[in-house]
Amino acid sequence: GQNIDQPTEMTATEGAIVQINCTYQTSGFNGLFWYQQHAGEAPTFLSYNVLDGLEEKGRFSSFLSRSKGYSYLLLKELQMKDSASYLCAVLDSNYQLIWGAGTKLIIKP
Amino acid sequence: NAGVTQTPKFRVLKTGQSMTLLCAQDMNHEYMYWYRQDPGMGLRLIHYSVGEGTTAKGEVPDGYNVSRLKKQNFLLGLESAAPSQTSVYFCATWTGYSNQPQHFGDGTRLSIL
Repeated sequence: GQNIDQPTEMTATEGAIVQINCTYQTSGFNGLFWYQQHAGEAPTFLSYNVLDGLEEKGRFSSFLSRSKGYSYLLLKELQMKDSASYLCAVLDSNYQLIWGAGTKLIIKP
Repeated sequence: NAGVTQTPKFRVLKTGQSMTLLCAQDMNHEYMYWYRQDPGMGLRLIHYSVGEGTTAKGEVPDGYNVSRLKKQNFLLGLESAAPSQTSVYFCATWTGYSNQPQHFGDGTRLSIL
């Protein structure tokens, strides 16, 4: 079956750096997405990786290793507004998005 | 430019009642999706559509029906609501290009008593 694993919850301090990991086993691979979802709101797109390596976008970076079935989202200079759930999703061979359960990130002052 | 609009935003139903959730998009996307999101679980696909007049089952289709009579609208129906269908429902659209993300509506919070 298809599976995406992420930690359920992480805690970090304002101003620090946090890395959220995602491992996946899917039928085929056409890219990996990271979304941010604030409580009570819709998911919003953060990043897309299809080739191995690091994609940087401001304070957020996303890394992919296809051979290891592994990705991480790196958040730098954490702000209180970064408190949210972060969802990892893989586009499989049928072009369906397979979703992880999400990682709830708690930022403490 | 509203993007993806879901109505209603909140609804409380009694067991056995029926209702329809509407998703409307002005993005001209071919693909549309209905998901449900429950605490501690990822987004689960209920039904989807790859274009006007087409629908297909997702991961958890039982108890739901859908229709896509017009490209811009995707309707999700509950014929006889059950407490297990209490959830947050999200509609999403997609261009069909793999490097493009899905775009989500604000969600419908549905409680079945």
